[in-house]
Amino acid sequence: GAGVSQTPSNKVTEKGKYVELRCDPISGHTALYWYRQSLGQGPEFLIYFQGTGAADDSGLPNDRFFAVRPEGSVSTLKIQRTERGDSAVYLCASSPKLSSRRGYNEQFFGPGTRLTVL
Amino acid sequence: QKEVEQDPGPLSVPEGAIVSLNCTYSNSAFQYFMWYRQYSRKGPELLMYTYSSGNKEDGRFTAQVDKSSKYISLFIRDSQPSDSATYLCAMEKESSASKIIFGSGTRLSIRP
Repeated sequence: GAGVSQTPSNKVTEKGKYVELRCDPISGHTALYWYRQSLGQGPEFLIYFQGTGAADDSGLPNDRFFAVRPEGSVSTLKIQRTERGDSAVYLCASSPKLSSRRGYNEQFFGPGTRLTVL
Repeated sequence: QKEVEQDPGPLSVPEGAIVSLNCTYSNSAFQYFMWYRQYSRKGPELLMYTYSSGNKEDGRFTAQVDKSSKYISLFIRDSQPSDSATYLCAMEKESSASKIIFGSGTRLSIRP
């Protein structure tokens, strides 16, 4: 079946511009996550949705970053007044509904959107 | 200090060698310990996870967790050129929809 998809795959913008990054999770997955991966680093958590609501947004670096998931499926990460330091790969992941079964609730990652701020 | 420390490498070994990758961590609340593989311009994919301390084997891969030392390892036997990738250790406090804390990744190259 289809995995997590992210669009665009690459985005080049100028400092100060506004960008939107889209994530389509695996069908039926209720949890959705955004991470940011800078060059040579591991992914860093930004925000997590359970359904339509943000359950944990503690990783958002400042108020220029905002994310929505209005219908509990597709999510959009929005970055206002972009800065050169925002350049990174933005990864989205999704995981299935919480289960009472013992085991690991795997997060499935998309290929990412490579954002370059000039 | 980062919660999870990982040697970035790069690490280059000949085909067929045994590879050892490791991470240390500082937060004793971590319960799930994972290893992800990431190819260039791709998202991370889960290789293995371990709950709490112990060993876990899957084919050529063995993961070890020592919570008393806050140290985890991944061993790759009979390494293949297709194993060339960046390997990320990762940890979670709980499995049910929580954030993953990643190491910085070790870039591994297997020479034919």
